[in-house]
Amino acid sequence: GESVGLHLPTLSVQEGDNSIINCAYSNSASDYFIWYKQESGKGPQFIIDIRSNMDKRQGQRVTVLLNKTVKHLSLQIAATQPGDSAVYFCAENYNYGQNFVFGPGTRLSVLP
Amino acid sequence: EAQVTQNPRYLITVTGKKLTVTCSQNMNHEYMSWYRQDPGLGLRQIYYSMNVEVTDKGDVPEGYKVSRKEKRNFPLILESPSPNQTSLYFCASSLTRGNTEAFFGQGTRLTVV
Repeated sequence: GESVGLHLPTLSVQEGDNSIINCAYSNSASDYFIWYKQESGKGPQFIIDIRSNMDKRQGQRVTVLLNKTVKHLSLQIAATQPGDSAVYFCAENYNYGQNFVFGPGTRLSVLP
Repeated sequence: EAQVTQNPRYLITVTGKKLTVTCSQNMNHEYMSWYRQDPGLGLRQIYYSMNVEVTDKGDVPEGYKVSRKEKRNFPLILESPSPNQTSLYFCASSLTRGNTEAFFGQGTRLTVV
C-alpha cells in the first residue's frame, strides 16, 4: 500500500501553547485524510478529517491543514491541555473508502 | 453504549496453535476492519469487510483469516500463529466504507512464543 509518514516522532509542548503535528503522505489519489488520537492502553479515537479537495478544516480547538502541492498534512491543537497527551496518527482513506493507511504516529507530551 | 468489543484483551499462545480473536460492534455498522500495531510502523490493515459475507485483504493479510457471517461480528483467525504475529491488534468499525470516523476496540495484545 501507499505510505503515510510523520516528520517528528515526539513533540513536547508547554501547557497552554499551540501544538503542530506534521505528516507527509505519498498517495495523491486519497479521498480523505484523517487524524486519530490514541491514549495509553486505548484504541485510536477519531479527531477530525479533511476531504482531499479542501485545504483547511476546523473543529473544536483543532485545525487540519492539507497542502496537496507538497503532500503535507498537519494537525494544529490550540491551547494544548494535559489531556491532549497521546500518540497522534495521520491516516489516508482511499479506494472509495475501502482502505486505510496509517502513519507511524507522533507522541505529544504536554509539560506543566 | 456504542462500542466495539474485542476479546480477549491479552493472549499468550504457542506457535502453531490456532486461535480466534473476536470482535463485535453494536452500532449496526457495515464496514469493519482489523489492524495490527507494531512499534514504529503505526497501524497496518490486515483485512476489511464492507458488509456481511464481503471481505477483502488489506496490506498485511498473510497468516490471517476473517469471516463476516453476521453484521455485528468480525472475528480474526490465526490458523497457525507464528512469533512474527506477536503484536497489538485492533478491530474497528464505521457506518459505511466511505465513512472516515472509525470506532476502535480496546485492542488485543497477542504474544506467540
